[in-house]
Amino acid sequence: DAGVIQSPRHEVTEMGQEVTLRCKPISGHDYLFWYRQTMMRGLELLIYFNNNVPIDDSGMPEDRFSAKMPNASFSTLKIQPSEPRDSAVYFCASSFFQGGSPLHFGNGTRLTVT
Amino acid sequence: GNSVTQMEGPVTLSEEAFLTINCTYTATGYPSLFWYVQYPGEGLQLLLKATKADDKGSNKGFEATYRKETTSFHLEKGSVQVSDSAVYFCALSYAGNNRKLIWGLGTSLAVNP
Repeated sequence: DAGVIQSPRHEVTEMGQEVTLRCKPISGHDYLFWYRQTMMRGLELLIYFNNNVPIDDSGMPEDRFSAKMPNASFSTLKIQPSEPRDSAVYFCASSFFQGGSPLHFGNGTRLTVT
Repeated sequence: GNSVTQMEGPVTLSEEAFLTINCTYTATGYPSLFWYVQYPGEGLQLLLKATKADDKGSNKGFEATYRKETTSFHLEKGSVQVSDSAVYFCALSYAGNNRKLIWGLGTSLAVNP
């Protein structure tokens, strides 16, 4: 399996622009997670899905952030409008249903908002 | 509430030195405990795990023992290599929602030849 695939690897945009991050999970995994990583706050869970349904979005920082999972093989995280404080590395991860199953992370998207 | 505390880095060692990265946790019930590793420019990957007290997880020469009496899950390796340079994250999944991991802040390790 190719693993979790994220695109783009790097995104540089100006404040106020819309940003869309994409993720393809590992085939057969039931859960999909979006994380944000910064030096100041470490790794933060933004939202996760089970069988394409959002289960917990309490980590989404504000209404500017939205995530969708239209099918089992694709998810997006959208920021509109973007702000400089959104600059971070965004990771997508997927896993099987069984408790204790490891998370498989993509290589992340490094977002820079100027 | 549930939390994970890791020793602050960065940790710098010479090749073949002994490594310990401390991790302690606070949790209700009986969480599962994990160590993940993040190599430069990559996502995190599971290094080892333990699901109940006194379990020892091991992988690639790394070990960690689930100590309920001290609420700890310290990561150890007897002889580190330059290729072990990475950031190491301790995490727990707590009873009631094992999909929502609680993460430590990570400990950066640099191994010099």
